[in-house]
Amino acid sequence: QSVLTQPPSMSAAPGQKVTISCSGSSSNIGNSYVSWYQLLPGTAPKLLIYDNNKRPSGIPDRFSGSKSDTSATLGITGLQTGDEADYYCGTCESSLSACVFGGGTKLTVL
Amino acid sequence: QAQVVESGGGVVQPGRSLRLSCAASGFTFRNYGMNWVRQAPGKGLEWVAVIWYDGNKKEYADSVKGRFTISRDNSKNTLYLQMNSLRLEDTAIYYCATIVGPRWYFDLWGRGTLVTVSS
Repeated sequence: QSVLTQPPSMSAAPGQKVTISCSGSSSNIGNSYVSWYQLLPGTAPKLLIYDNNKRPSGIPDRFSGSKSDTSATLGITGLQTGDEADYYCGTCESSLSACVFGGGTKLTVL
Repeated sequence: QAQVVESGGGVVQPGRSLRLSCAASGFTFRNYGMNWVRQAPGKGLEWVAVIWYDGNKKEYADSVKGRFTISRDNSKNTLYLQMNSLRLEDTAIYYCATIVGPRWYFDLWGRGTLVTVSS
């Protein structure tokens, strides 16, 4: 069982919006920064969001992140079939003595 | 183009050892902390270990502490993971990834190498 809690699956239609939640505690999310990753089968995981809400260059603004207390959220607007993937939240202790991930959310774009 | 490429995976019996490698190119390897992250079949991501940019500090997940050793050779732009006393539950795809501070996130990932522990 993962330290951070995510819904196992979500689905939405093309063009719609989805929000994926990531719930933790004061010992992880509540005291550090959250990042989000996209995993497609057979490919390298991709960083989508870092520092709670920042997008790396090349990541479209359809992807957004937010954090409040011990929870974080990944938002995806204008869903495309290419967004079908597994999404993971993650966070590390400020001393980098440990990092944890959520259990992952499988997104289906119907 | 910056990339990291893992190698060394395979099928190994329980109790045996295996060493994974991660070759970096296209960026200044010695400036980055490096990690191993794994994903067991049907499971989520699990952080395994981190090594500081200069190799002076290492941290491990409790699940591998005392069995796995992370190391690096900055002259060869290569990261390693020595895995000893392997268990069935170590079966996973192993990814290497750069980590960026001070707010810590995994920036560049490889495609992974599959380790199967089976008798």
